[in-house]
Amino acid sequence: EPEVTQTPSHQVTQMGQEVILRCVPISNHLYFYWYRQILGQKVEFLVSFYNNEISEKSEIFDDQFSVERPDGSNFTLKIRSTKLEDSAMYFCASSVYRGGYTFGSGTRLTVV
Amino acid sequence: AQTVTQSQPEMSVQEAETVTLSCTYDTSESDYYLFWYKQPPSRQMILVIRQEAYKQQNATENRFSVNFQKAAKSFSLKISDSQLGDAAMYFCAYRSPPEFRNEKLTFGTGTRLTIIP
Repeated sequence: EPEVTQTPSHQVTQMGQEVILRCVPISNHLYFYWYRQILGQKVEFLVSFYNNEISEKSEIFDDQFSVERPDGSNFTLKIRSTKLEDSAMYFCASSVYRGGYTFGSGTRLTVV
Repeated sequence: AQTVTQSQPEMSVQEAETVTLSCTYDTSESDYYLFWYKQPPSRQMILVIRQEAYKQQNATENRFSVNFQKAAKSFSLKISDSQLGDAAMYFCAYRSPPEFRNEKLTFGTGTRLTIIP
């Protein structure tokens, strides 16, 4: 069964540093997403991406965040200057129109 | 904006018994999807079951079934013959009506299910 692949599985970074979280969505999917889950809390939508542009973003997705699809397979989330409160599990997901919706296994980001 | 409410932060059930997890949602749309996701300690999001709002028949996947009450905006998950491996956090999620640019999910706060041997 096709999978959404996320790397790394765990990243530790110092406050103020930039991090890039990487995702390889399912190849025939057209919609790409990033979600965030702070430990013990619910999963929150960050951003959706379609046709090489952001289609929607949440209030959480401020100027320190950016997304990119640099080639035909990767989908990245960049956090420019990490804060302690950015520590969370970050999930990538992809979907087809009216069809399957698949999550990756997540990247655990720890900001120290 | 759509909201999803799970009023049971924690539930427990004896192994082999049946448990029902509750979920309500708020939307003005008529065409949408509803999901239950399981999140074990590994924190991976695993799809348990999905329901299309236009279908009157309740979805079933082996020991998992839903009670979808569209008018009441209720979407409960029933787990029959509970097993130790069912212990996890369960999230109810609403997917916006299909539009060509976005199909984001809105999650509830989750219910932690404990299985008692």
